[in-house]
Amino acid sequence: DQQVKQNSPSLSVQEGRISILNCDYTNSMFDYFLWYKKYPAEGPTFLISISSIKDKNEDGRFTVFLNKSAKHLSLHIVPSQPGDSAVYFCAAASGTYKYIFGTGTRLKVLA
Amino acid sequence: DVKVTQSSRYLVKRTGEKVFLECVQDMDHENMFWYRQDPGLGLRLIYFSYDVKMKEKGDIPEGYSVSREKKERFSLILESTSTNQTSMYLCASRNPGQGASGELFFGEGSRLTVL
Repeated sequence: DQQVKQNSPSLSVQEGRISILNCDYTNSMFDYFLWYKKYPAEGPTFLISISSIKDKNEDGRFTVFLNKSAKHLSLHIVPSQPGDSAVYFCAAASGTYKYIFGTGTRLKVLA
Repeated sequence: DVKVTQSSRYLVKRTGEKVFLECVQDMDHENMFWYRQDPGLGLRLIYFSYDVKMKEKGDIPEGYSVSREKKERFSLILESTSTNQTSMYLCASRNPGQGASGELFFGEGSRLTVL
């Protein structure tokens, strides 16, 4: 039973346009949501997070939106750059140490 | 520059062999984690360690054990490997002061192939 789902395994976007990566979850008790980016042959790196009491968090080109009623999370990257091409994982924090990860979305930004 | 270092990037083992994956972090973090990453399954928690000599089972601990004798070092042990343990293994650490919002710092991963 997957509590955190990323239904799009891949996404292609033109450079300069907006990338929207989506994530759905089932457990309304999650406290925090985080996004990680992973390049091939490297470990994931933290990108941005949002508390369950907020609906938006912005950091430069990256914005995360949280819709609690729909149990939906999205990451917006504007403008997209070729260096953003990577696999993006969303994660939900459950309790003090458990993070439930989605299966990842591979983003390809075309120059 | 903060760092989580995994000792082996690539390993190939035969079924039944013992594997010892070591992870070292230089950030003085109390919390350390071992995950495995498989296509279509995301990252799944194998074991978590609160602090030295303290551990908690994650979602998939079967076939694995861990050791945390020093704060900076967290080892994952596969006593007798099987082919279904072929995977990418990722170590991570975290400053517990930030609680659930605290970001995880990951190592580069250890890709294990069991033949």
